[in-house]
Amino acid sequence: DSGVTQTPKHLITATGQRVTLRCSPRSGDLSVYWYQQSLDQGLQFLIQYYNGEERAKGNILERFSAQQFPDLHSELNLSSLELGDSALYFCASRGPGSNEKLFFGSGTQLSVL
Amino acid sequence: GQQVMQIPQYQHVQEGEDFTTYCNSSTTLSNIQWYKQRPGGHPVFLIQLVKSGEVKKQKRLTFQFGEAKKNSSLHITATQTTDVGTYFCAGLQGSGYALNFGKGTSLLVTP
Repeated sequence: DSGVTQTPKHLITATGQRVTLRCSPRSGDLSVYWYQQSLDQGLQFLIQYYNGEERAKGNILERFSAQQFPDLHSELNLSSLELGDSALYFCASRGPGSNEKLFFGSGTQLSVL
Repeated sequence: GQQVMQIPQYQHVQEGEDFTTYCNSSTTLSNIQWYKQRPGGHPVFLIQLVKSGEVKKQKRLTFQFGEAKKNSSLHITATQTTDVGTYFCAGLQGSGYALNFGKGTSLLVTP
């Protein structure tokens, strides 16, 4: 158990819909990362938050947004969903040091039908 | 932006054979991390390399960081079925915060 909690584990929805994925980092970790994993693209970095503020942005679509709340949990919002958004979405948290490793949650498997 | 490329994409070996995956970055990295993801699981941290030319070993696994800090490799000696999974390298560039992953090398080991 990595200590990172992601909910829900599975999500099935239709095109055009909006969903919210939730992540609770390890106790004490201030950084939260979001990654999208699909078969042909590997682990794509989406966005990172540190103590409530956005720190880095990767290949995140404009239809996607995220935030980190005062209690440090994070949410990834995906809107106007398309078939191609079907993927495994991972959240990871990181300790305070700049060279700290990532601890990944178990992921949310999103299926857009 | 920084890109991290990994080869091969897939590798199928017989148990007992060696395995190597290579990671190359388009830019100099401040450090590189390696992760393993078992089928159906999530990535799990293996090791981090920071210094130019650094070599680290974990039992049958040997990790190297290139002199120019642009490439890295993971070598597994005498593979076992427990080594099955996808191995990812991830690079951190300069003072940036984004940890960019390669597409991974999926290793299949048959007994």
